Amino acid sequence: DAKTTQPPSMDCAEGRAANLPCNHSTISGNEYVYWYRQIHSQGPQYIIHGLKNNETNEMASLIITEDRKSSTLILPHATLRDTAVYYCIPSRGGTSYGKLTFGQGTILTVHP
Amino acid sequence: GAVVSQHPSWVICKSGTSVKIECRSLDFQATTMFWYRQFPKQSLMLMATSNEGSKATYEQGVEKDKFLINHASLTLSTLTVTSAHPEDSSFYICSASLLGLAIAYNEQFFGPGTRLTVL
Repeated sequence: DAKTTQPPSMDCAEGRAANLPCNHSTISGNEYVYWYRQIHSQGPQYIIHGLKNNETNEMASLIITEDRKSSTLILPHATLRDTAVYYCIPSRGGTSYGKLTFGQGTILTVHP
Repeated sequence: GAVVSQHPSWVICKSGTSVKIECRSLDFQATTMFWYRQFPKQSLMLMATSNEGSKATYEQGVEKDKFLINHASLTLSTLTVTSAHPEDSSFYICSASLLGLAIAYNEQFFGPGTRLTVL
């Protein structure tokens, strides 16, 4: 599995965009980049995933560099409820390879 | 949609007893369910992968005889912590992959977790 590097913590003002970087320089060609988040004492929540192209959904946008060695998760208008640990996880698809290996993630704190 | 529940949400037991935790996919069928463990201030660690109707695959270092996993149906997997000890106290979380969609990509839906405290 590809190794990931994320900043341990980040702060963001409420209403501003939160940009969370992730380095995954050893990602293989068939691995997607998944982003999950975990609010304190809850199970993780899926946010978004991508392979090569940038992706956007109702929660966030995902920007993947052309060489796929890094990505950035963007929360366009952060709210206090977005305070959580954010995990960037490269993983292959399919039930046989669908393991998610959680690293330490980034603790995002959104301030009023 | 895609809701996963766990029961109980918390449990306190005496050392030496066994505890069963249930994981259910409420509105979808899951071919694969995963069990994770999370100690305070640490990340989630995968314990085992459970496929319906077959034996679970355990991660290295996880004792299969201590953590019994049963995945008898497409909507239910159970984790039994046998002869629990204080060091087994942790937050146990399950997840489930959607039948069919897991072929294309791996979106896992997580339960709310079960906090186990062994006295």
